[in-house]
Amino acid sequence: GAGVSQSPRYKVAKRGQDVALRCDPISGHVSLFWYQQALGQGPEFLTYFQNEAQLDKSGLPSDRFFAERPEGSVSTLKIQRTQQEDSAVYLCASSLARGARTGLYPYFGPGTRLTVT
Amino acid sequence: GQNIDQPTEMTATEGAIVQINCTYQTSGFNGLFWYQQHAGEAPTFLSYNVLDGLEEKGRFSSFLSRSKGYSYLLLKELQMKDSASYLCAVRDLKAAGNKLTFGGGTRVLVKP
Repeated sequence: GAGVSQSPRYKVAKRGQDVALRCDPISGHVSLFWYQQALGQGPEFLTYFQNEAQLDKSGLPSDRFFAERPEGSVSTLKIQRTQQEDSAVYLCASSLARGARTGLYPYFGPGTRLTVT
Repeated sequence: GQNIDQPTEMTATEGAIVQINCTYQTSGFNGLFWYQQHAGEAPTFLSYNVLDGLEEKGRFSSFLSRSKGYSYLLLKELQMKDSASYLCAVRDLKAAGNKLTFGGGTRVLVKP
């Protein structure tokens, strides 16, 4: 079955360029999360969507980072004027749960590895 | 906020047992998760604990003590393919969407 897919898998950007990273969650999944993972580190939360509503963007490191999920399915993470410190793997995850106390867990995509030169 | 600690790296021999500890501090605990992540791949779900005690699933077991803010992941009969990073994550009841907060991950190297 189809899991979470992300594109592109690899992106090289020159400092100052804008990039757009796409996430296709599992069909029917209400919750969608973006995480940033630096080399050798655990994933760090960026933002959360419930359907099309962005309910938590507390992890976005600066106003250069913007995420959207206009129809409640596909999501795009956009980074403007990229800088070297933005180099990381950007992971997308989706889940059915809307916060219930259950064991439902997020399924992760393979990530987009962004390198800013 | 949340603080999650786990060892950075562990080495073990094929066929042996390894225990990865995780300690956490959180204001609204709503479950602890373990994920496995091979290099360059997506994290994949291994286990979930919300009540105290041991959850066993094949060669993998996970333990939780809520009063101590402590969990461990036990990997038995290690195989070479178990070489990966193991991520401990806590779900926060008070956060929108019950988001997961991850520790830094423990890299496990299995040697022949």
